[in-house]
Amino acid sequence: EAEVAQSPRYKITEKSQAVAFWCDPISGHATLYWYRQILGQGPELLVQFQDESVVDDSQLPKDRFSAERLKGVDSTLKIQPAELGDSAMYLCASSRALDAKKETQYFGPGTRLLVL
Amino acid sequence: EDQVTQSPEALRLQEGESSSLNCSYTVSGLRGLFWYRQDPGKGPEFLFTLYSAGEEKEKERLKATLTKKESFLHITAPKPEDSATYLCAVRYEGAQKLVFGQGTRLTINP
Repeated sequence: EAEVAQSPRYKITEKSQAVAFWCDPISGHATLYWYRQILGQGPELLVQFQDESVVDDSQLPKDRFSAERLKGVDSTLKIQPAELGDSAMYLCASSRALDAKKETQYFGPGTRLLVL
Repeated sequence: EDQVTQSPEALRLQEGESSSLNCSYTVSGLRGLFWYRQDPGKGPEFLFTLYSAGEEKEKERLKATLTKKESFLHITAPKPEDSATYLCAVRYEGAQKLVFGQGTRLTINP
């Protein structure tokens, strides 16, 4: 069964450092999402791509966060500089998006970030 | 403001003790309600999608139902392996993103 891949699974960094997370969606899925999940809360969308284009980044803190999906397949989410409040689980999800309003989003295992 | 609220926040049951989890929503133009299961340290695992009031879906010991204002996840004769956090999410008109509730942490004691 195809799965969404993410790496690394865990990342510890010091504040003010740069960190990057990678996501490879399920093959053939045109829509890719990055969510942030704080412990004890539900995931919140950071950015959504349709192929290589950003569809929604209204909740992305653009002063420190950036995301790209250059070839419309895998994606990278970057934080620079990291702050203590960025400690969270970063989840990637994908969907086929033939009819996005009815498509199920499938999640990867996540990257747990700890900022010291 | 569009909102999704789950209750209770945590639920502890004995093995075999059936119960229900609630997800209430206040969104304009529901375009789908999703249930996910999340184990500690892992990503959410898709369970069900419901699109219209009156719709029901079942999978093993789980059954999801939907009304115009809320959804229930019924757990029948649960086992310890059903212990997890159950997340509810909605997609509303004009958006593709999911808006999640805070989850219900379910513990089944043997």
